[in-house]
Amino acid sequence: QVQLQQSGPGLVKPSQTLSLTCVISGDSVSSNSVAWNWIRQSPSRGPEWLGRAYYRSKWYNDYAVSVRSRITINPDTSKNQLSLQLNSVTPEDTAVYYCARYLPGPKVFDYWGQGTLVTVSS
Amino acid sequence: DIQMTQSPSSLSASVGDRVTITCRASQSISSYLNWYQQKPGRAPKVVIDTASSLQSGVPSRFSGSGSGTDFTLTINSLQPEDFATYYCQQGNSLPLTFGQGTKLEIK
Repeated sequence: QVQLQQSGPGLVKPSQTLSLTCVISGDSVSSNSVAWNWIRQSPSRGPEWLGRAYYRSKWYNDYAVSVRSRITINPDTSKNQLSLQLNSVTPEDTAVYYCARYLPGPKVFDYWGQGTLVTVSS
Repeated sequence: DIQMTQSPSSLSASVGDRVTITCRASQSISSYLNWYQQKPGRAPKVVIDTASSLQSGVPSRFSGSGSGTDFTLTINSLQPEDFATYYCQQGNSLPLTFGQGTKLEIK
């Protein structure tokens, strides 16, 4: 059974960096048959895909244009986890952040972390 | 980006009713359309993938159909645990995008 356990601060000041971690159990961050994603959801809105990391003989990343200049998603193979860094945050980055596994075949997010509410405020 | 538009945005129904939620893509996405159920304070949970494939463990009263740009999620004989918000999501191309959601409420 795949489980994704998220951790990280719930409050970040404007202009600072949002950092979250997603520990993966029941699968490998280096699996060559899935992709590992970060998704966020603002209050009363649909989810917004932020980006992903995946391994296919080497590591690849894809990012949403809306955050491309500020985001980094990195795997940590020694700890079997995925990280998210979002720089220069503003109050508009306030949201619940999720990590999620993506299956390329059906193109579906089949496992999700529990979610972390991050508030950007001074 | 492919825009996903759901209708209605909210829906009131009673236990035992049949309901249909629609999702329209701004361009063809073949059958790469998934449906998620989300309850308050919880992560979304996939109920249907590739337009019509029922996820393991999801009751058979859920069904999905469509291809191209128009898709539907149907729930027959609503049960109390089905009242939630439902989202569609396209997997045809990056960026992966979701609909704005349909909140299914008890009448």
